[in-house]
Amino acid sequence: EIVMTQSPATLSVSPGERATLSCRASQSVSSNLAWYQQKPGQAPRLLIYGASTRATGIPARFSGSGSGTEFTLTISSLQSEDFAVYYCQQYNNWPFFTFGPGTKVDIK
Amino acid sequence: EVQLVESGGGLVQPGGSLRLSCAASGFTFSSYDMHWVRQATGKGLEWVSAIGTAGDTYYPGSVKGRFTISRENAKNSLYLQMNSLRAGDTAVYYCARGSSVNAFDIWGQGTMVTVSS
Repeated sequence: EIVMTQSPATLSVSPGERATLSCRASQSVSSNLAWYQQKPGQAPRLLIYGASTRATGIPARFSGSGSGTEFTLTISSLQSEDFAVYYCQQYNNWPFFTFGPGTKVDIK
Repeated sequence: EVQLVESGGGLVQPGGSLRLSCAASGFTFSSYDMHWVRQATGKGLEWVSAIGTAGDTYYPGSVKGRFTISRENAKNSLYLQMNSLRAGDTAVYYCARGSSVNAFDIWGQGTMVTVSS
């Protein structure tokens, strides 16, 4: 099983600041990595797939990078609606998908 | 509108069974892989099962032998039959669509399953 880890567990950021979230895979997942955003009481929403491609309707302030085992999600200028939990997911080992434990982005 | 709507959750005793349903609309259901993902309260996401367009099924070790995923394309519906339920199966269960690039691009709102005596 491919194990995903995320850091930090919590990131405190002021509105308008940049946020950088990290995700690491226990073995290479190539670029088969997605990022999801989840707000309280809501289902997750796909943000990024293929490590760096924004899903439909996702604002340009969200960007993803990385390949292999190291990945980053960057939110260039945090808006109030961006405070949420972010999960990475590998889908290289289809269909045995695994998620990271999440990074909570809260207001500083 | 592309939509997934789950139903069937509830309270069940340990060792009991429950069948979840997911109604799909707004897309050609038969053309997509489908998945169930669960989330215990305050915890992360756990992939629970997958079914391909050909009806092939897959499970992680934590539910294999107890859960069965199925689909009925004529009814645009996905199901999860859960047997031998344990307290650790308590969670919100989401159905999700596997996109053409394999990420989960559409999610339902979830249905709560509570396993308790």
